[in-house]
Amino acid sequence: GESVGLHLPTLSVQEGDNSIINCAYSNSASDYFIWYKQESGKGPQFIIDIRSNMDKRQGQRVTVLLNKTVKHLSLQIAATQPGDSAVYFCAESSRGQAGTALIFGKGTTLSVSS
Amino acid sequence: ETGVTQSPTHLIKTRGQQVTLRCSSQSGHNTVSWYQQALGQGPQFIFQYYREEENGRGNFPPRFSGLQFPNYSSELNVNALELDDSALYLCASSWASGTVRNEQFFGPGTRLTVL
Repeated sequence: GESVGLHLPTLSVQEGDNSIINCAYSNSASDYFIWYKQESGKGPQFIIDIRSNMDKRQGQRVTVLLNKTVKHLSLQIAATQPGDSAVYFCAESSRGQAGTALIFGKGTTLSVSS
Repeated sequence: ETGVTQSPTHLIKTRGQQVTLRCSSQSGHNTVSWYQQALGQGPQFIFQYYREEENGRGNFPPRFSGLQFPNYSSELNVNALELDDSALYLCASSWASGTVRNEQFFGPGTRLTVL
């Protein structure tokens, strides 16, 4: 699989590889995090979320890792498929922030070739 | 599909005009948030409505206003449109209870073009 240590705007992988998308968040008070997938012309689609009392959460083919020490979030996609091609955003929110506003990071465009 | 619907899908306006965008939240949800997404950027928080009251606001001028209705649907109004208001406007609904935050589910968006 291919992974990146720092945020990159694009990630290209082969079908079947594992993908890792990274995100750095800015607010140390953030305690709720969500990953979204956005396909062209559509709204963001919820993938998985994690609260700050956890450091790992797994879903179907996806895993989110949270490292609060370095304020880093990652999304791992197992056995990446062409249908996974999209822009991926991480989002954070914190108590005391305006309502339950989500602050979005810079997106990563994942391209999967078969 | 999330069950969140938005109308219209696309809209073209000219500078100085006013626009109203609509959102129907997912069944069972009581909170609606609005976001602006410029081309190539992540969504930016405009404001949020919880039980018909504004519950938080991002860094947007007062000409961006909104409403939430008793059935939890919502409107976003933008007055005195500027060219930079051209963007995809997204509505997200969620269930909030006290300080517990839960996932926000997005609608397909309204693409606004200001000429």
